[in-house]
Amino acid sequence: DAGVTQSPTHLIKTRGQQVTLRCSPKSGHDTVSWYQQALGQGPQFIFQYYEEEERQRGNFPDRFSGHQFPNYSSELNVNALLLGDSALYLCASSPGISGNTIYFGEGSWLTVV
Amino acid sequence: AQSVTQLGSHVSVSEGALVLLRCNYSSSVPPYLFWYVQYPNQGLQLLLKYTSAATLVKGINGFEAEFKKSETSFHLTKPSAHMSDAAEYFCAVSESIYTGANSKLTFGKGITLSVRP
Repeated sequence: DAGVTQSPTHLIKTRGQQVTLRCSPKSGHDTVSWYQQALGQGPQFIFQYYEEEERQRGNFPDRFSGHQFPNYSSELNVNALLLGDSALYLCASSPGISGNTIYFGEGSWLTVV
Repeated sequence: AQSVTQLGSHVSVSEGALVLLRCNYSSSVPPYLFWYVQYPNQGLQLLLKYTSAATLVKGINGFEAEFKKSETSFHLTKPSAHMSDAAEYFCAVSESIYTGANSKLTFGKGITLSVRP
């Protein structure tokens, strides 16, 4: 049983560019959340998708957007990259929006130069 | 609003010694509480969770945590530390099932556990 899978694992972008990160949830999970983890910090909630809609959003600017597909996989898009966007981006999945069994992927390391 | 406080950023213990990592939470509704471990350059692995059943929760790798409502605490313990326990540990809180939004987690800043031979 595959867990939460994310791609790419590492990437380097230039300031002002755009990036797309991808996530496939654990089998049987239909809710996907994204978190940003800056170096030395705990993860911070970006947003959550359920039934292809954004259900909750954390304190992140509109440059951060996402999408969920019918197969429950998800994308995180970040526009106009800033140096401060450099972080580990974690995807988490759970069974239903009220599910408390929350599993994380290995993350995508984004470096903005 | 919910929050988590993890006092101290670094804990060092000897191999075989007791591990105690502290976590205090704040939540306006009955909380769900979690401990995750993160090894270098990896994602988060769930150690254990409290979801309003037994207050003493047993997790993987010999860890356990006790929910104390009066103290708003959820400290993580392990009787005997092993070298492989060296990692970053995060406590997290989510709203309970009563709000239907309990899959959003609020994390503490994390504690780095070092284990001395």
